[in-house]
Amino acid sequence: DTAVSQTPKYLVTQMGNDKSIKCEQNLGHDTMYWYKQDSKKFLKIMFSYNNKELIINETVPNRFSPKSPDKAHLNLHINSLELGDSAVYFCASSQDSSGGSETQYFGPGTRLLVL
Amino acid sequence: TQLLEQSPQFLSIQEGENLTVYCNSSSVFSSLQWYRQEPGEGPVLLVTVVTGGEVKKLKRLTFQFGDARKDSSLHITAAQPGDTGLYLCAGDRNSGYALNFGKGTSLLVTP
Repeated sequence: DTAVSQTPKYLVTQMGNDKSIKCEQNLGHDTMYWYKQDSKKFLKIMFSYNNKELIINETVPNRFSPKSPDKAHLNLHINSLELGDSAVYFCASSQDSSGGSETQYFGPGTRLLVL
Repeated sequence: TQLLEQSPQFLSIQEGENLTVYCNSSSVFSSLQWYRQEPGEGPVLLVTVVTGGEVKKLKRLTFQFGDARKDSSLHITAAQPGDTGLYLCAGDRNSGYALNFGKGTSLLVTP
């Protein structure tokens, strides 16, 4: 069974469209994350949720809106997609902790290409 | 501002060679993690180091955390093609739930 799953794996869309990426973890973890990995492989935190509450919201355009319906799911909705949004988006989860020393389990990534 | 600098950025070696990857910062980290990412996959944790000066071994991989907890190294002995991948260091500054990642070292081991 997959621990952290993301859908879709590939997403190709036109500029200006709105799209969503879904993430689910079956590990019973309390904390979930969204990361963006650019073409140079740099992995940067976007959002972090703990027990459905937003903990971290890095400098991300407000076109990006995370939603956590329950602690096993953290979805990412993107409005008015731009060319620069093209990247690989990773969802991750970890057991609730006081910091980043806990193991983070990553999903397989969603490859977004905006044309 | 990039908190963690990794070097080298790219490394291509022959099977059987040894290599060291470095992760440096001017900031102190409460812990530091090393991940390996294979093409088309998400990063997978290799090790977490917490104590300054700590050395951990994982088969042919040796990880060291600097005494001042500002830097770390990963040494691979007798590299194998299966070691090919992107090696990422990530540090926790006690900022709460956030890891700062380095830009990664892309390793290619050829037979």
